Amino acid sequence: AQRVTQPEKLLSVFKGAPVELKCNYSYSGSPELFWYVQYSRQRLQLLLRHISRESIKGFTADLNKGETSFHLKKPFAQEEDSAMYYCAPFNSGGGADGLTFGKGTHLIIQP
Amino acid sequence: EPEVTQTPSHQVTQMGQEVILRCVPISNHLYFYWYRQILGQKVEFLVSFYNNEISEKSEIFDDQFSVERPDGSNFTLKIRSTKLEDSAMYFCASSDSGWTSGELFFGEGSRLTVL
Repeated sequence: AQRVTQPEKLLSVFKGAPVELKCNYSYSGSPELFWYVQYSRQRLQLLLRHISRESIKGFTADLNKGETSFHLKKPFAQEEDSAMYYCAPFNSGGGADGLTFGKGTHLIIQP
Repeated sequence: EPEVTQTPSHQVTQMGQEVILRCVPISNHLYFYWYRQILGQKVEFLVSFYNNEISEKSEIFDDQFSVERPDGSNFTLKIRSTKLEDSAMYFCASSDSGWTSGELFFGEGSRLTVL
C-alpha cells in the first residue's frame, strides 16, 4: 500500500538551532514530493516541491530514493517557522491517491 | 491575491441531516478538490473534479457524498445523510494545472460538527 510517514507528531527546537522534519514514503514508481505548511490561523499552502530543487524561507528538502525519504531541513530555525508541516507525495501514475498528505509534524520554535 | 473561499466556516447539524458545503475556487482554475481532516488525524483526499465531472475519488467518497459545480463560480460538497463520523474540517482546493504541478490552493476550511 502506498503510504507516507511523518514519524514526529511534535518537534520543538530553540531559535537558531537546526531543524529536520522527517518524511518517509512507500510508493510504487517515482512519486513527486511536496511539503505543505499551515501557519497558525492560516490556510494550508505549498512550501516547496522536490522537482524544483528550490529553497523557500531557508528550507530545503532532498529526495533520497534509496532511503525513500524527503526530509525537510533548515539550518537555523526562526520563531516564524512554527507551524504544521505536511509531507505530500503525489503519485504521478494517477489513481485515487492523488496528492495525499502525511499526518503532519507540529514544529514549535522556542525563543 | 485571489483566494479560495469556503462557507460556512462552521456548521453544526443533527445526524441524518443533509449538509452542503460551499466553495468558490480561484477564478481561472480548472481543477477542484475536496479534502477532509478529522480532528487529530491526517488530511485525507475525498474527490477531484475537472471538466464538470469527477476525475478521481477515494474510498471515503461513498454514495452519501456528491459534488457539483452548479454555476461558473461555486463548487459544492453535499453529504446526504450525515453520520457522527463525518465530523471533520473540510477543505476545498483548486489548481490551474491539476495533480502534476502539485500546487493546490486551499480554502480555510469548513468545520462540520454532527451531533
